Amino acid sequence: SQTIHQWPATLVQPVGSPLSLECTVEGTSNPNLYWYRQAAGRGLQLLFYSVGIGQISSEVPQNLSASRPQDRQFILSSKKLLLSDSGFYLCASLAPTVGNTIYFGEGSWLTVV
Amino acid sequence: AQSVTQLGSHVSVSEGALVLLRCNYSSSVPPYLFWYVQYPNQGLQLLLKYTSAATLVKGINGFEAEFKKSETSFHLTKPSAHMSDAAEYFCAVTGGKLIFGQGTELSVKP
Repeated sequence: SQTIHQWPATLVQPVGSPLSLECTVEGTSNPNLYWYRQAAGRGLQLLFYSVGIGQISSEVPQNLSASRPQDRQFILSSKKLLLSDSGFYLCASLAPTVGNTIYFGEGSWLTVV
Repeated sequence: AQSVTQLGSHVSVSEGALVLLRCNYSSSVPPYLFWYVQYPNQGLQLLLKYTSAATLVKGINGFEAEFKKSETSFHLTKPSAHMSDAAEYFCAVTGGKLIFGQGTELSVKP
């Protein structure tokens, strides 16, 4: 079956510092990959999604970017963090050819100070 | 494009009463629909999913949902609420993008 590894699990970063959250998928190929931010009372806000290597769609204009350098690797980045970037970030994978099952990473808690 | 709307951010029912959590979607392609549950400080757990087979989908913990194309709805129901059902519930739709609703917090009163 499919598994997703997401790291780091928690991090505290100063304002203006860079960010890199990484997500890797095992057990499938060519999945659709997604980055979400979950905030209390706001559900899961889709930030970026990718249907293939180098293909990134941005849903919410903000201080973040995403990249997919390999088929099963999805990276969320920022050059300069803002206080408002604090939150819980979740990576997800969906393999359309495998029953449309969604797999989630463990999540990353980001605190910008 | 896909979107999903969950009607009611908070729903409160008495133990033993019917649970009804509403979800309406829009999709330009035939959708796949999901319901997830999240307990406090835990990750998302799949309750059930619709993938174009039977329109009435049965899930875990006694929950079920019915896909109604004419109403673009996928409401979640359970005949008799239990205290352990108190959690946040998310509806999701995919047809490329994977979009989640804002969530509905279910409270169960004794």
